[in-house]
Amino acid sequence: QVQLQQSGPGLVKPSQTLSLTCAVSGDSVSSNSAAWNWIRQSPSRGLEWLGRTYYRSKWSSDYSMSVKSRMTITSDTSKNQFSLQLNSVTPEDTAVYYCVRGTGASGLDVWGQGTTVTVSS
Amino acid sequence: DIVMTQSPLSLPVTPGEPASISCRSSQSLLGNKGNNSVDWYLQKPGQSPQLLIYVGSNRPSGVPDRFSGSGSGTDFTLKISRVEAEDVGVYYCMQALQLPRTFGQGTKVEIK
Repeated sequence: QVQLQQSGPGLVKPSQTLSLTCAVSGDSVSSNSAAWNWIRQSPSRGLEWLGRTYYRSKWSSDYSMSVKSRMTITSDTSKNQFSLQLNSVTPEDTAVYYCVRGTGASGLDVWGQGTTVTVSS
Repeated sequence: DIVMTQSPLSLPVTPGEPASISCRSSQSLLGNKGNNSVDWYLQKPGQSPQLLIYVGSNRPSGVPDRFSGSGSGTDFTLKISRVEAEDVGVYYCMQALQLPRTFGQGTKVEIK
């Protein structure tokens, strides 16, 4: 059974960096058939896909244009986890953040528990 | 970006009765393999979203067969054959044809 366990701070100050980690169990972050996504949810934006990373002989990442200049997704195969960094946050980045596994055309089938992140001084 | 539009946004339902949610995309989601790249998710109160339907009409293991997906091109439907109390929550469609993935606004299903 695949599980995703999220960790990271719930409060970030404006202009600072939001960092979240997602630990994977029951699958490998370097699987050739999975992609590891970050999605956030807020009342104003609804569910918003932010980006993903995946391994297909080499590591690749894709980002939403809305956050591309500020966001980085990295992976740590030794810990079997992946992480999100979002720079220069503003109150608009306040949301519940989810890490999510995607398996090709089979949908986003495993979701983390969600982390509520508030951007406030 | 592909815009996903759901209707209705609120759906009161009676247990045992059928229910239907519509989702329309701003461009065709028919891929070159003949599949419709639309998924459906349910977010129960206080929980993370969960996958109900993928590629238009496929149910992952563990999803009850009272849930079904249909449609093609730009118009899609999620049907619940007989609503149960545990089906309350917000339902979302999502297009998986291209990046960025985009979601509908959500349809809140509640018991009458």
